[in-house]
Order: sequence, then structure tokens, then C-alpha cells
Amino acid sequence: QQQVKQSPQSLIVQKGGISIINCAYENTAFDYFPWYQQFPGKGPALLIAIRPDVSEKKEGRFTISFNKSAKQFSLHIMDSQPGDSATYFCAASRQGATNKLIFGTGTLLAVQP
Amino acid sequence: DAGVTQSPTHLIKTRGQHVTLRCSPISGHKSVSWYQQVLGQGPQFIFQYYEKEERGRGNFPDRFSARQFPNYSSELNVNALLLGDSALYLCASSLEGTGATGELFFGEGSRLTVL
Repeated sequence: QQQVKQSPQSLIVQKGGISIINCAYENTAFDYFPWYQQFPGKGPALLIAIRPDVSEKKEGRFTISFNKSAKQFSLHIMDSQPGDSATYFCAASRQGATNKLIFGTGTLLAVQP
Repeated sequence: DAGVTQSPTHLIKTRGQHVTLRCSPISGHKSVSWYQQVLGQGPQFIFQYYEKEERGRGNFPDRFSARQFPNYSSELNVNALLLGDSALYLCASSLEGTGATGELFFGEGSRLTVL
């Protein structure tokens, strides 16, 4: 019940295209769902996060879609750029323990120029 | 403003040895969490400390221990190192113990190699 399953493992997108990464969770107690971006040799950096009271959140070119009934959430990167090439992790945590993030296995995104 | 700083950045140890990793949180942050990231996987929660008290512990053996100092910096200690302890150890800080702001700020990590 603690797992967060992430797919795909890797993704190649052309510049200007849409990158879509999906995650699914089992623990219905989770109520905070962030996405992190990690470049080689760096620590993860928060990209965008959502709580289950909304179905979508958009920040610039990044959008989270959330489906509470299906226990799934996804990251959409619009107009993907070569600088977006990185590893993306979804994560989840429950109220009162938001420092204890359960991470997915990561998606290596390569945006080709 | 300085972000989360970790030291050392890289270190090599042999099996059975002990290691101490250090972390300084962002100024004003009172909570520090430690994560282990094995190559090719997502980070795994090890510990959280808030106001010098342990607030959470992940599924790691007792060889792993940590503490937080009055200035909110933290140490992660690992005894009797195993090959499987080779990983990037990440420290993250947040304003509050429950992470009510929702954001963890990660350092760049300490890369531990156990031979």
C-alpha cells in the first residue's frame, strides 16, 4: 500500500512536443502529490504539487492531472524543451507526514532538438 | 541565500567501516529529513528530525542513525557498512515538522561508495 508506481521508465520527445508521465498509488491516505525534477549530479527539485481537492493544477508549461477515483495522477509538460531533459519523480505523502515522501521509480526524459 | 548544504560530496569506504554525513538546512528551516537514493531508483525515506527530535523513521536497519543539533544541522551515521549501502544520500529541509508548506528542499547529496 506504500508503493507509487511510475511509468514510463524512459521517454523521448521531440522539441515542442508534449511529455506525459503517469503515476498510480494505492494508499488512500495519501493527500499530497508532488513532482520532482532531478538533473545529473543534483538533488531533486520540486516542480509542481497537487492536493486531491482539485483535479488539475497548471504552472507555466507544467500541468498535473489528478484522478482521485482511479488513484492516478500525471505530469504533462507542454512545448517540451531540451532543457527539460532530466529525471522526473512523482511522489506521495499523507497529512501530518509530508516530509515522508514515497517516490516513484523515476522517468528519464530526453527532449530531442 | 544558501540552500541545503551537504558534506562530504563524495566518499569511498570499505565494508565494515562507519560513515558520518552532514547536512546544514536552509536558514530558518527547523526540519531535516534524510533519503537514500540508489542508482536508477527514487529516493527512499530514512529519517526526519524536527526540533532535535525524531519525527519519522523509514524501513532501514539499526545500523542507520541520525541526530539534529541545536542549530538544526544534522548528521546521518551508518555503521558496519555493506556494499548495498552504496548510494546518494540526500538531505532535505523544510520549515515545519509536518511539512505543512508541502515543500522539501533537497541538497545535492553525498555520494557514498562502499568497496
